[in-house]
Amino acid sequence: TQLLEQSPQFLSIQEGENLTVYCNSSSVFSSLQWYRQEPGEGPVLLVTVVTGGEVKKLKRLTFQFGDARKDSSLHITAAQPGDTGLYLCAGVEVNQFYFGTGTSLTVIP
Amino acid sequence: DAGITQSPRYKITETGRQVTLMCHQTWSHSYMFWYRQDLGHGLRLIYYSAAADITDKGEVPDGYVVSRSKTENFPLTLESATRSQTSVYFCASRQGRGEKLFFGSGTQLSVL
Repeated sequence: TQLLEQSPQFLSIQEGENLTVYCNSSSVFSSLQWYRQEPGEGPVLLVTVVTGGEVKKLKRLTFQFGDARKDSSLHITAAQPGDTGLYLCAGVEVNQFYFGTGTSLTVIP
Repeated sequence: DAGITQSPRYKITETGRQVTLMCHQTWSHSYMFWYRQDLGHGLRLIYYSAAADITDKGEVPDGYVVSRSKTENFPLTLESATRSQTSVYFCASRQGRGEKLFFGSGTQLSVL
């Protein structure tokens, strides 16, 4: 079993603050994906990172893939209440997606 | 664009009963997956299918059975439900290798 650990597990911040969540693994993946899940719904893909050291931006969200392709981070600038949700990373290898345990983010207005 | 639908949305059953969760996708995606989501464990793969009549075990397959006679349907059966199978179950699909997963809205199952 390939294990991905995410930290922190829970995060509650005020609107306008910045935050970073981490996804760490002992395994190397061909790519890594980040999903956001809202209550009562399934996860929805935010981004895929493929190359070690790659940085991708999606509006206020910045995603980085570690040089060794074992870890990743998600940075949110000026968080808004609409960012509230469960953030999941997933390591992708051939046919398998290995999901992290998730970071539950609450942004307080 | 119906996408991927799961039914029922909520299910309460008793220990020992057989339960089938349904999953239907309208995209003709080759790959389909069943995950369970539990607090502290994230999403864990139960079974997946690469095409009709091709299925394979995931991380936690014990107590579950799947079939895929048609590309668009991928039902998950709990042969004799146990309390440890209380969870939220998600079906997902994707077209090719490494591409993103599309998830259904989930089935919340309670085994009493």
